[in-house]
Amino acid sequence: GENVEQHPSTLSVQEGDSAVIKCTYSDSASNYFPWYKQELGKRPQLIIDIRSNVGEKKDQRIAVTLNKTAKHFSLHITETQPEDSAVYFCAASESGNTGKLIFGQGTTLQVKP
Amino acid sequence: EAQVTQNPRYLITVTGKKLTVTCSQNMNHEYMSWYRQDPGLGLRQIYYSMNVEVTDKGDVPEGYKVSRKEKRNFPLILESPSPNQTSLYFCASREAGGDTQYFGPGTRLTVL
Repeated sequence: GENVEQHPSTLSVQEGDSAVIKCTYSDSASNYFPWYKQELGKRPQLIIDIRSNVGEKKDQRIAVTLNKTAKHFSLHITETQPEDSAVYFCAASESGNTGKLIFGQGTTLQVKP
Repeated sequence: EAQVTQNPRYLITVTGKKLTVTCSQNMNHEYMSWYRQDPGLGLRQIYYSMNVEVTDKGDVPEGYKVSRKEKRNFPLILESPSPNQTSLYFCASREAGGDTQYFGPGTRLTVL
């Protein structure tokens, strides 16, 4: 079955710097890769996603890149702000076909003012 | 308002006492799932359902049961809870053919 590895487990940056979180997956059939942000005590919320027919997607300060050959995908946050501090999860699934969604272990991002 | 609800939000119980955590969604979604969240392990899928009366095991189904008798409801049942089931549980739903999962607010369960 699918296995998703996420690194680093913790990341501390200064406000205004960029942050990068990386994930690798094992199942070549996976074709949907969402990223979730979870603030303390809250539920996970989708912030961006990418499908395997696209190499990069951007939404304001966040972007996701996908390398299907190497089976890895990354989240990039530019101009980080204190409100970006949260736990971020990557995930992988076979889009639309199954109910399974496999998550990475999570990255705790701290943005220092 | 489109939402996924869970009850209870917090529960402290003792080993062996059967409990049910309810999950309901008002978005007419076909797919529903249960996850548990533990530090350092991320979210792990317990069970999922693709429609009424259609359920399947996720990665960590042992010790849990589910049922899907109605489209909107997907309760999680712990017949004989044990301390290793102490965790934060999330229910989620999505529409068939869609990818975005909508999570409920979470249920923090402690089994003594």
